Amino acid sequence: DQQVKQNSPSLSVQEGRISILNCDYTNSMFDYFLWYKKYPAEGPTFLISISSIKDKNEDGRFTVFLNKSAKHLSLHIVPSQPGDSAVYFCAFNSGGYQKVTFGTGTKLQVIP
Amino acid sequence: DTGVSQNPRHKITKRGQNVTFRCDPISEHNRLYWYRQTLGQGPEFLTYFQNEAQLEKSRLLSDRFSAERPKGSFSTLEIQRTEQGDSAMYLCASSSSGQGYEAFFGQGTRLTVV
Repeated sequence: DQQVKQNSPSLSVQEGRISILNCDYTNSMFDYFLWYKKYPAEGPTFLISISSIKDKNEDGRFTVFLNKSAKHLSLHIVPSQPGDSAVYFCAFNSGGYQKVTFGTGTKLQVIP
Repeated sequence: DTGVSQNPRHKITKRGQNVTFRCDPISEHNRLYWYRQTLGQGPEFLTYFQNEAQLEKSRLLSDRFSAERPKGSFSTLEIQRTEQGDSAMYLCASSSSGQGYEAFFGQGTRLTVV
């Protein structure tokens, strides 16, 4: 069962513009939400997280938005830079367990 | 400490052979995770250790898979009687108790079963 969906396998954005990556989930028990970034030949790198009691968390150019009623998570990158080009995974956790469920990823290309 | 280290980086094995991978986590991290990633998919959780105790296991971890973390430091993942479907990237990650669910990943071991 696919509990996490990243419906856009790829996204291209001009340098300096906003990148918006989206994620939908079905499991209402998820209570902690994360974004990871992955470059080729490297393991995923943690980017930003948000708990279910919040609807927004900001860290520099990166902002994560959570809409619990819609079961929707998004990541905004402003302004986008060529070094942001990578695969982005959303990930979710259910309280009390360490298992993290990852989405299928969205490949972001930032064009100079 | 340079981060999570995994060895080997690549492994090619014949079907039916046993393979073992090693993960050295960040030294002060008491939590260690194994994930598997196949092409076009995100990482899939396999198992989790807190210190030397294996506390969670996925149903993906069949009888042919076993993981250990004998002294609460490095960990090994063994696959017995490998099958072609085991071909994947095996990722190890570690974290400390106070970090929530944010984990540091190694570069992975790519297994190819021929």
